[in-house]
Amino acid sequence: GQQLNQSPQSMFIQEGEDVSMNCTSSSIFNTWLWYKQDPGEGPVLLIALYKAGELTSNGRLTAQFGITRKDSFLNISASIPSDVGIYFCAGQLTTQGGSEKLVFGKGTKLTVNP
Amino acid sequence: ETGVTQTPRHLVMGMTNKKSLKCEQHLGHNAMYWYKQSAKKPLELMFVYNFKEQTENNSVPSRFSPECPNSSHLFLHLHTLQPEDSALYLCASSQDRTFLGAKNIQYFGAGTRLSVL
Repeated sequence: GQQLNQSPQSMFIQEGEDVSMNCTSSSIFNTWLWYKQDPGEGPVLLIALYKAGELTSNGRLTAQFGITRKDSFLNISASIPSDVGIYFCAGQLTTQGGSEKLVFGKGTKLTVNP
Repeated sequence: ETGVTQTPRHLVMGMTNKKSLKCEQHLGHNAMYWYKQSAKKPLELMFVYNFKEQTENNSVPSRFSPECPNSSHLFLHLHTLQPEDSALYLCASSQDRTFLGAKNIQYFGAGTRLSVL
């Protein structure tokens, strides 16, 4: 089945540092999404990417849709304590049966030390 | 506030109990989803409804029974659960399951933290 390999699994950084995480797959995706989940809450959409090569920013966050459509990365610049949480990538694809499917990575847990 | 509201936020139940989880979306969407989130695992899709019709059931045990009376409401009825069913249950909605891209972006509720004793 389709799988997303998200790395790293966890990161411990100092406030002010930049962060980079990525997702790769052997499957081709039509859309890439990045979500953030705070403890005790549901995932919240951060960035959506719709075209191969697309680079999109949302404040200090920047994400790119890989040219091969099999990968995506998320960068966070100048991290702050409230960036703490679990970041999930999700890829949207069309299955062989013709239905739409959203596949999630296992998440990157980010800890920011003040 | 994402426009998707789940109740209760926390639930503790015994294995012989019957309970229901509720999800309501205020986004005018037509597709709704139930996910299970366990520690150290990717989100597991359980059920999908599009325009009130169930379009996907990912081999979920029959002790989980979904109900979608209209496009705004989704329930998950629980009975005779097992301790391994303890998890965060997330509801999501999207505009229309049959489209790609922006119309099928899923927005999540805050989840129900379920503990089965």
